[in-house]
Formats: sequence, C-alpha cells, structure tokens
Amino acid sequence: GENVEQHPSTLSVQEGDSAVIKCTYSDSASNYFPWYKQELGKRPQLIIDIRSNVGEKKDQRIAVTLNKTAKHFSLHITETQPEDSAVYFCAVYSGGYQKVTFGTGTKLQVIP
Amino acid sequence: KAGVTQTPRYLIKTRGQQVTLSCSPISGHRSVSWYQQTPGQGLQFLFEYFSETQRNKGNFPGRFSGRQFSNSRSEMNVSTLELGDSALYLCASSPGVGWGTLYEQYFGPGTRLTVT
Repeated sequence: GENVEQHPSTLSVQEGDSAVIKCTYSDSASNYFPWYKQELGKRPQLIIDIRSNVGEKKDQRIAVTLNKTAKHFSLHITETQPEDSAVYFCAVYSGGYQKVTFGTGTKLQVIP
Repeated sequence: KAGVTQTPRYLIKTRGQQVTLSCSPISGHRSVSWYQQTPGQGLQFLFEYFSETQRNKGNFPGRFSGRQFSNSRSEMNVSTLELGDSALYLCASSPGVGWGTLYEQYFGPGTRLTVT
C-alpha cells in the first residue's frame, strides 16, 4: 500500500516568517495531493490541493509544489500569522476514487 | 448549503458493545467516507460509499462496517468494541464524481467515541 511520510512533526516559526512542510509518498500512480488544516477541537479543512498534472499551485499566502519524479510535495505558508497555528495533514490519493493515505501531521505554532 | 453533520457528537460505550454512528452529507454529494483519528495512528481511512455501494475500503477488521442510504446519509457500525476503538470518527462528503470535484472532501465535526 501507499506509504506517506510527513516532516517535520512540529514546527515553530515567528510571525511573519515562512513555514514549509514536506510529504513524501511511494506510489508513483498517486494523482491527487491535498493539504488539510485542523485547528484544535475542530474538523479538518481542505486548504489547498494539487493534481499530478500540475507542478505548483498558489492561493494567496499558501502554495503547494509537487515533484513527481522525487515523489514529494510541500506546503508553503508565507507571512505566517498566529491564526495559522494548527495541525496540518497531507494526503495522497492513489488507485482512483477515495483510496487515501494521510501523513502523520505537523503541528505548526506561529509565535506572535 | 448546510455542512456535513454527524450524530452523536460524543459517545461512551463499554467493551463488547456495539455502536452506530450517523453522517449526513452536504446536499447533492453522493460520496461519504469514514475516517478514524487517534493521537497514535493519525487519520486512517475506513471506507467510502458512493450511491449506496462501498467503493473503497481501508485496512480495518470486519467489526467495522457501514452502509449508505438512498438519500446519501451513511451509518457506520462497530461491533464488539475494544478499548483501542476509542477515537474521533470523522466522516467526509464529496461530490464523488467529476475530475474537478472527485476528491474534494468536506469533513463533519466528528463523533468522539470512548470505550471503557
């Protein structure tokens, strides 16, 4: 089955700095790579996603890059704000439909 | 549109009992997926239902089962509960079809199950 590794597990940054979280996967047939944000006690929310036919996608302060050859994708958050503090999960879809494997999560703390 | 709803929100059960959790997807969504979230294992995919049929299944024992009704509402059942089944159970709804929306998932608030 798919193997997804997410790093780092925790990340502390100063407000205004950038944060980068990386996920690696094993199945070259994987074709959809979303990122979810989960605030404490709340449900995961999709914040950005990328498909296998695209190398980069940006939405305001967040961006995702995909390297299919190396089988890794990264979440980039610029100009971090305290409200960005949360756990971020990557996910990898392979084999069609909803067959998904999640990363183990990164707890991001933005220090004011 | 109303979001994904799950009932109950909290549940305490005893080992050996069984439990049924319910999920109502966003109107028009035909796919419902279920996930187990624990501090140790993170988010794990249980199964996905689309148009009343189980379309995908994760690596969980047969004690975990589900079904979907014609209105897309879904239920998940866990029989013979074990202490290790204590977790947050999340469901997510998705249109389930279409290249642009196939995988877009919207999560419900979850059901916190505690097994004692």
